[in-house]
Amino acid sequence: EAGVAQSPRYKIIEKRQSVAFWCNPISGHATLYWYQQILGQGPKLLIQFQNNGVVDDSQLPKDRFSAERLKGVDSTLKIQPAKLEDSAVYLCASSLKLTGGYEQYFGPGTRLTVT
Amino acid sequence: GQQVMQIPQYQHVQEGEDFTTYCNSSTTLSNIQWYKQRPGGHPVFLIQLVKSGEVKKQKRLTFQFGEAKKNSSLHITATQTTDVGTYFCAGPFYNQGGKLIFGQGTELSVKP
Repeated sequence: EAGVAQSPRYKIIEKRQSVAFWCNPISGHATLYWYQQILGQGPKLLIQFQNNGVVDDSQLPKDRFSAERLKGVDSTLKIQPAKLEDSAVYLCASSLKLTGGYEQYFGPGTRLTVT
Repeated sequence: GQQVMQIPQYQHVQEGEDFTTYCNSSTTLSNIQWYKQRPGGHPVFLIQLVKSGEVKKQKRLTFQFGEAKKNSSLHITATQTTDVGTYFCAGPFYNQGGKLIFGQGTELSVKP
């Protein structure tokens, strides 16, 4: 079974530039998550999708971050414009169902550096 | 807001010593999950505990869920260098649609 795919693996941009990350979850997983992990901290949920609908985006900085999962499969997360404090690893995860009782499978992450 | 706290933040042990990390939630959890993240890697699911007072073992790892379902622990017996990494607990909160709240993790280093 293929795991969660993410690209790119690394990205370096200057502040005020824009960047996009892509995620393809495990086949058949209805729920997709985007997390931000700052060095030395646990993953923080940015947005959670069930199929192509948003379940939770309460911690997504909507003035600069956007995400979509148009066909209920792969997803993109965009930052525009980027700030220095956005430097982090962006992790995508998927799970079989929505509820918290299902393990989440994480992708390798995208390490973003904003200079 | 609802939080999951882990202690200690760092633990350095000699190979063969035991290791324990503790996880405490500000509110009751429906279940708790544990993940391991190797240096430079991504979190990998270890186990889920659901019942009050539940204890589960995976070889040298013992996981426990508190009676009040607000705390949990992970104990590793006779650590090995392969145990190196950061261990996270994560819990879904009843009134937050089941989204996982991760603790800040305990980073374990093992000296051979």
